[in-house]
Amino acid sequence: DTGVSQDPRHKITKRGQNVTFRCDPISEHNRLYWYRQTLGQGPEFLTYFQNEAQLEKSRLLSDRFSAERPKGSFSTLEIQRTEQGDSAMYLCASSPKRRSHQETQYFGPGTRLLVL
Amino acid sequence: AQKITQTQPGMFVQEKEAVTLDCTYDTSDPSYGLFWYKQPSSGEMIFLIYQGSYDQQNATEGRYSLNFQKARKSANLVISASQLGDSAMYFCAMREAGAGSYQLTFGKGTKLSVIP
Repeated sequence: DTGVSQDPRHKITKRGQNVTFRCDPISEHNRLYWYRQTLGQGPEFLTYFQNEAQLEKSRLLSDRFSAERPKGSFSTLEIQRTEQGDSAMYLCASSPKRRSHQETQYFGPGTRLLVL
Repeated sequence: AQKITQTQPGMFVQEKEAVTLDCTYDTSDPSYGLFWYKQPSSGEMIFLIYQGSYDQQNATEGRYSLNFQKARKSANLVISASQLGDSAMYFCAMREAGAGSYQLTFGKGTKLSVIP
């Protein structure tokens, strides 16, 4: 049973560069989420897709951040003109559609970003 | 106000003993779900257990149980017979269903260390 996968696992970049992360959800899951986790904190919600539609975005998702899920399968998160404050772990999660709040989100291993 | 509060930054437990990790939450939504995740040093968030606001019984999953006290708005995780592999960060999270949002709100976590 394949879980959520993320690529790359680690990324070091210089301030001002653009970076793109990829997330492959569990195959039968139609909901996909991005979270950001900084040191010593719990994950913070960034955005959510149902199939290819981006239905929810956090205020944390500034104009420099963009996420896509073009065919309702994998998703990409791009950060333009990176800043040192973007250094964090970026977590992707997916969940199957359920008609209750019991939808469990299953997380990938994360991408650790370091902006120098 | 914090929606999820975990007051124990760190906890120690002797191997084979039981340990309780505290979580209190704040919501006015009558329909919500509470989740516990484990995050080892590798970074992946591992789902442990779920409790719904309308569930009459406390949730249990193997060595994990959730002590749900709705009136006190607490959802403490109990780990029985601790093992060395239980050493990790533990996060409590909530999803409020009434707002139509699918995001999880996390606490800051508790670092559990199991002593041999």
